[in-house]
Amino acid sequence: KAGVTQTPRYLIKTRGQQVTLSCSPISGHRSVSWYQQTPGQGLQFLFEYFSETQRNKGNFPGRFSGRQFSNSRSEMNVSTLELGDSALYLCASSFGQGFREQYFGPGTRLTVT
Amino acid sequence: AQKVTQAQTEISVVEKEDVTLDCVYETRDTTYYLFWYKQPPSGELVFLIRRNSFDEQNEISGRYSWNFQKSTSSFNFTITASQVVDSAVYFCALSEAGSGGYNKLIFGAGTRLAVHP
Repeated sequence: KAGVTQTPRYLIKTRGQQVTLSCSPISGHRSVSWYQQTPGQGLQFLFEYFSETQRNKGNFPGRFSGRQFSNSRSEMNVSTLELGDSALYLCASSFGQGFREQYFGPGTRLTVT
Repeated sequence: AQKVTQAQTEISVVEKEDVTLDCVYETRDTTYYLFWYKQPPSGELVFLIRRNSFDEQNEISGRYSWNFQKSTSSFNFTITASQVVDSAVYFCALSEAGSGGYNKLIFGAGTRLAVHP
């Protein structure tokens, strides 16, 4: 089975712009979660989607949003980018509705200048 | 509130040494899961193990072993006979049943392990 894929892998944006990141989960996985990783804050949960519904949301401003499509692919969007949004954004997928191990993609490295 | 503490920021060992990575967690839930992930320099988090709160049995997988003790809220990870390929950042994480936690992972700060030849 192919693993979790994320596109693009690297992205450079200017402050004030918006960005959309994409994640394709492992085939058959219906849950997709997003995490932000920075040197200062570590790994932080952004949100999780299951069957196109947001099930849980982390403590991030409304500029961060996401969605999931019927084929389980997910996108996250960050509007009005700030310098502090520079981070590695990781997507993870898991099978089923309950507690399952999550499998992570390689991440998208976002740099905001 | 839920919290995961990995007090060891960096550990440096010589190949073939045994090394233990500590993880202490806080939760009010009685149902929760604990995880360990490895992040090599490539950046992708690699799943290592999942353990639920009702199963305190220790686990061994090759050179890896995990010791889960609810009495001390710890879930420690030991690598026996370490190898250079074990060099990575290791994360301990917690997922709670309460408030629909499910796949919401709370991560520790990570422990960077450097194994030298």
